[in-house]
Amino acid sequence: NAGVTQTPKFRILKIGQSMTLQCTQDMNHNYMYWYRQDPGMGLKLIYYSVGAGITDKGEVPNGYNVSRSTTEDFPLRLELAAPSQTSVYFCASSYSSDTEAFFGQGTRLTVV
Amino acid sequence: QKEVEQDPGPLSVPEGAIVSLNCTYSNSAFQYFMWYRQYSRKGPELLMYTYSSGNKEDGRFTAQVDKSSKYISLFIRDSQPSDSATYLCAMRSTGGFKTIFGAGTRLFVKA
Repeated sequence: NAGVTQTPKFRILKIGQSMTLQCTQDMNHNYMYWYRQDPGMGLKLIYYSVGAGITDKGEVPNGYNVSRSTTEDFPLRLELAAPSQTSVYFCASSYSSDTEAFFGQGTRLTVV
Repeated sequence: QKEVEQDPGPLSVPEGAIVSLNCTYSNSAFQYFMWYRQYSRKGPELLMYTYSSGNKEDGRFTAQVDKSSKYISLFIRDSQPSDSATYLCAMRSTGGFKTIFGAGTRLFVKA
């Protein structure tokens, strides 16, 4: 019962570097989401997808890009990392917009 | 003003106490209300999911929604040390993809 799997769990990036956060789900969910969680700020939606080939911006998309080539995978790309992107990133998936969202374990990213 | 307000705590209670966690919101379009529990260094997991106003009970947990006051609550009866976690309220409008989360309340239950 893997659910939503995120890799890596931890990463330290230097300013200006790029990286891809991986997210895979094995529940055949149509909807997938990327959130960031900062202390005292709750979860903020970065991007979401309602199916393969369809993505849309959330509340805080600047500095990020996503793609959804398959139902299972929803990678998040950071280009030109900045200290403001230091955060914990969570990927989630749900069968529909009105059903429970299942979260991955998170990726802790530090940009120095 | 934030769309969803939640006191970050921390809230510390003795084992067996009744815990009350609350959120207020400003968007009257919200129809779906959720409570998530998040253990340290883990992802959030859904505890309660309610639609519109009213109460919902599941074991030791009761969720209440008062749409007229724009106020939601989560009650935990007979609290246990294993309930120590951060509790996030969340809400969404009908047909909306964007769930808005509160900042989370840290709860400590002392044995």
